[in-house]
Amino acid sequence: GENVEQHPSTLSVQEGDSAVIKCTYSDSASNYFPWYKQELGKRPQLIIDIRSNVGEKKDQRIAVTLNKTAKHFSLHITETQPEDSAVYFCAADDRGSTLGRLYFGRGTQLTVWP
Amino acid sequence: DGGITQSPKYLFRKEGQNVTLSCEQNLNHDAMYWYRQDPGQGLRLIYYSQIVNDFQKGDIAEGYSVSREKKESFPLTVTSAQKNPTAFYLCASSMRGSTYNEQFFGPGTRLTVL
Repeated sequence: GENVEQHPSTLSVQEGDSAVIKCTYSDSASNYFPWYKQELGKRPQLIIDIRSNVGEKKDQRIAVTLNKTAKHFSLHITETQPEDSAVYFCAADDRGSTLGRLYFGRGTQLTVWP
Repeated sequence: DGGITQSPKYLFRKEGQNVTLSCEQNLNHDAMYWYRQDPGQGLRLIYYSQIVNDFQKGDIAEGYSVSREKKESFPLTVTSAQKNPTAFYLCASSMRGSTYNEQFFGPGTRLTVL
């Protein structure tokens, strides 16, 4: 099955700086890569996703890039704010099977200091 | 995400007891999932179901059981065979047959074994 690695496990930035979280995956058949944000004690919520037919997608201060050749994708947050503090998870889908599921990375705890 | 509910929010269990966690969705989603979340471990898949009356083991199914008698419901039973059941449990659902497997999460149940 798919294997998703996520780095770093913790990330601290000053308010206004940028934050980058990187993930790699093993299955070249994967073609959907979502990112979820989970605030303390809350449910994970989708913040952005990217399909394999594009290399970059932006939504205001958040962007995701995908390099299918190298099998890695990254989340970029610009102009960080304290409310961006949360755990972020990357994931990749299981296109090698008819039983659709997502494989998640272990998460990155992002802390934005005011 | 407001269409998925989990109950109870907090659950306490004595060792040796079975407990059942509820998950209901009104999103008309075919697929439902159960994840376990421990600090630093990310989201680990316990069981998933793509259709009524059918389900598959995930990566950590030992000590758990599920049923899928109705499209809207996917209860998870934590049995006494689960050696370390204290964790945060998340249920999710998604459209089956969709090209891209966006998952929507419930609010979670925090299980503590006393």
